[in-house]
Amino acid sequence: DGGITQSPKYLFRKEGQNVTLSCEQNLNHDAMYWYRQDPGQGLRLIYYSQIVNDFQKGDIAEGYSVSREKKESFPLTVTSAQKNPTAFYLCASSIRGEKFFGPGTRLTVL
Amino acid sequence: GQQVMQIPQYQHVQEGEDFTTYCNSSTTLSNIQWYKQRPGGHPVFLIQLVKSGEVKKQKRLTFQFGEAKKNSSLHITATQTTDVGTYFCAGFRPGGGNKLTFGTGTQLKVEL
Repeated sequence: DGGITQSPKYLFRKEGQNVTLSCEQNLNHDAMYWYRQDPGQGLRLIYYSQIVNDFQKGDIAEGYSVSREKKESFPLTVTSAQKNPTAFYLCASSIRGEKFFGPGTRLTVL
Repeated sequence: GQQVMQIPQYQHVQEGEDFTTYCNSSTTLSNIQWYKQRPGGHPVFLIQLVKSGEVKKQKRLTFQFGEAKKNSSLHITATQTTDVGTYFCAGFRPGGGNKLTFGTGTQLKVEL
């Protein structure tokens, strides 16, 4: 059963703590992405990776970091430098332009 | 930077009425995609348009790409409660590689 998984679905953290969101895909897609969605708004690109061991900053990369050591995995770390981290985080992979999204992780920083 | 705006931001319709959302880019797009996000869910790919003036239909949904490749529209005929959700357009800029810019979205509510 192919797809993209993100865990956990809901995550709570204290202010000042780093937190890592997982994203795994078994679709054999080269490209993977992280988006942030705030209530009532569109998706904003945080980071993307077109191939293993390579990634690029998106439009709002400050306060975030990623790694792409394996094709299947693209974890996102939300660092304490991110000023407003509470949001819905969506991971996606793509082939021929069409993006497949994971179910998302809703991060709340208390 | 590139901006993609959608109007309206919200739309409430009675079931059976038609609905249209419009997408406008500040720059020319190489192609445009449309996604639907149900409440509490994640975006799901609907369609991709590539050619200037292209029109594609999926049952009650009609998608159009403008002649100048800077705007697009999604029209739903005779809405149903299953159409509820937020519709996003998303565009690729020529030379922008795999970077997709999402529109602001139109939230559709359908009342019985």
